[in-house]
Amino acid sequence: EIVLTQSPGTLSLSPGEGATLSCRASQSVSSNLAWYQQKPGQAPRLLIYGAFSRATGIPDRFSGSGSGTDFILTISRLEPEDFAVYYCQQYGGLPRTFGQGTKVEIK
Amino acid sequence: EMQLVESGGGLVQPGGSLRLSCAASGFTFSSYAMSWVRLAPGKGLEWVSFISGSGGSTYYADSVKGRFTISRDNSKDTLYMQMNSLRAEDTAVYYCAKTGGFYDYWGQGTLVTVSS
Repeated sequence: EIVLTQSPGTLSLSPGEGATLSCRASQSVSSNLAWYQQKPGQAPRLLIYGAFSRATGIPDRFSGSGSGTDFILTISRLEPEDFAVYYCQQYGGLPRTFGQGTKVEIK
Repeated sequence: EMQLVESGGGLVQPGGSLRLSCAASGFTFSSYAMSWVRLAPGKGLEWVSFISGSGGSTYYADSVKGRFTISRDNSKDTLYMQMNSLRAEDTAVYYCAKTGGFYDYWGQGTLVTVSS
């Protein structure tokens, strides 16, 4: 099983600041990595797939990068609605696995 | 508009059973694989089960193998999860999700609580 490790666990930032979230895989997943945003009481929302492709309707302040084992989700300028938990997920191997999540909270 | 609506969650005693349903609309259901993913209290997302578009291929997480059965009825555009021998650690919100490796559309979730 491919283990995904996200860091940091919690990111305390102010609106307008930039955020950098990391996801590291225990073995290569090529570019088969997705990012999701989840707010309390809501379903997860796909942000990024294929490591860097934005899903439909996702603002361009969200960007993904990386390949192999190291991936980054960057939020260029945090809007109030961006404070949430973010998960990475790999689909390069079976079973599909998620990282443990990074909470982006208001400082 | 693409929509997934789960139902069937509730409170059940340990060892009991539940059947979850996920009604799909707005896309050609039979053309897409589907999955169940859960979110337990205080935990992260966990993939539970996968079924191919035809229903011919199914996969399960080790944590539910032998207890849960995924199925689909393409004539009714509906996905199911039969959950038997439920344990306290199965307590979670269960989401159905359209699957293409990643999960591009999700239902709103249904809460399953396993407690005596």
